Amino acid sequence: LAKTTQPISMDSYEGQEVNITCSHNNIATNDYITWYQQFPSQGPRFIIQGYKTKVTNEVASLFIPADRKSSTLSLPRVSLSDTAVYYCLVGATTDSWGKLQFGAGTQVVVTP
Amino acid sequence: DVKVTQSSRYLVKRTGEKVFLECVQDMDHENMFWYRQDPGLGLRLIYFSYDVKMKEKGDIPEGYSVSREKKERFSLILESASTNQTSMYLCASSSLHPGQGGSEGVYNEQFFGPGTRLTVL
Repeated sequence: LAKTTQPISMDSYEGQEVNITCSHNNIATNDYITWYQQFPSQGPRFIIQGYKTKVTNEVASLFIPADRKSSTLSLPRVSLSDTAVYYCLVGATTDSWGKLQFGAGTQVVVTP
Repeated sequence: DVKVTQSSRYLVKRTGEKVFLECVQDMDHENMFWYRQDPGLGLRLIYFSYDVKMKEKGDIPEGYSVSREKKERFSLILESASTNQTSMYLCASSSLHPGQGGSEGVYNEQFFGPGTRLTVL
């Protein structure tokens, strides 16, 4: 199983860029990397997914180096509403859903 | 929008009771999941189902069972609740199978319910 490791917490000010790095040294060839966002009293919500190189959508960017042993979620110009827990997820291979593995999450706190 | 609903937001049970947590999704998704979430441990997969009457164990199935009699409904059962099962329980669903998604515009995304906070006394 591809275990993930991410920082426990990160603080930022409004308008700054926040980069959260997730380590997944044992990632398998068929594994994708997915990030979710969770607000208090809500279930996680999908942010972005990628396999290699860079992926960008209207919310975030995901940078994946060639060796795929880590990935970085980048949140541009954060606002107070970006305060949440962010989870790195590696898995969803062709074999089984059972290999999904969430990280412990990174609590991001954005202050004015 | 996909909607995943869970039968209760808060539940208090006593040790030894049989507990049913219900989850319903309205988007005809084939895959459904049950997770528990504990501080410092993130989300851990208990069971998942990829079709009616089909189920597979996740990382921590001990003490739990599941039932999927209809496509839209996935139930988590605690046969004899214990205090160490006090936790937040999250249900999720998705439409893609493992290995699908990841290409442009096609994402292997799970849709989560709001969670049930279960306290076992």
